[in-house]
Amino acid sequence: QKEVEQDPGPLSVPEGAIVSLNCTYSNSAFQYFMWYRQYSRKGPELLMYTYSSGNKEDGRFTAQVDKSSKYISLFIRDSQPSDSATYLCAMRGFQKLVFGTGTRLLVSP
Amino acid sequence: GAVVSQHPSWVICKSGTSVKIECRSLDFQATTMFWYRQFPKQSLMLMATSNEGSKATYEQGVEKDKFLINHASLTLSTLTVTSAHPEDSSFYICSAGNMGANEKLFFGSGTQLSVL
Repeated sequence: QKEVEQDPGPLSVPEGAIVSLNCTYSNSAFQYFMWYRQYSRKGPELLMYTYSSGNKEDGRFTAQVDKSSKYISLFIRDSQPSDSATYLCAMRGFQKLVFGTGTRLLVSP
Repeated sequence: GAVVSQHPSWVICKSGTSVKIECRSLDFQATTMFWYRQFPKQSLMLMATSNEGSKATYEQGVEKDKFLINHASLTLSTLTVTSAHPEDSSFYICSAGNMGANEKLFFGSGTQLSVL
């Protein structure tokens, strides 16, 4: 079993839709949770960084962590074509960062 | 967020030659830098962890004599792919941070290596 599971997609939505991206994990030692956005042939860009359970909002993005269920989510409101990218979840305890496989999101105009 | 600069963004080389990739933290001092490899439509695979002033720690299965890592200062780490072969063609990405428990990592823009 992988430490971090993420549906690779692709996930196709129309412009303006609410997007929900999710990851599950198995290592209870993970405390820091991140979402990165990666455009094709570019390095990942940090979108959200959260510690422990709860919600964090930044503009159109909301990150949600449920440590009891070992489940994290990223919500994108009013999705735009420019949001089309691969979204990687990442998490760690005190050791190396572990990435999900990434979900490819396609937002059509 | 912090800026990590990676050069070159792409390189084409002949089989058997060596290629050096640079990773610089531009506005902060990075005690730790990481080197990743990414194949198309796959996630990032950690190759090695580089700490300033000490030898890099390589992940299992990564040849340290083939992928030479140097972290001579708090702002610069280099990855040299020695005697490159076509199977080394990949997208290489570095990241940098200060490895306190709650520090964030920032990524370079990546280097696409194509070995002919």
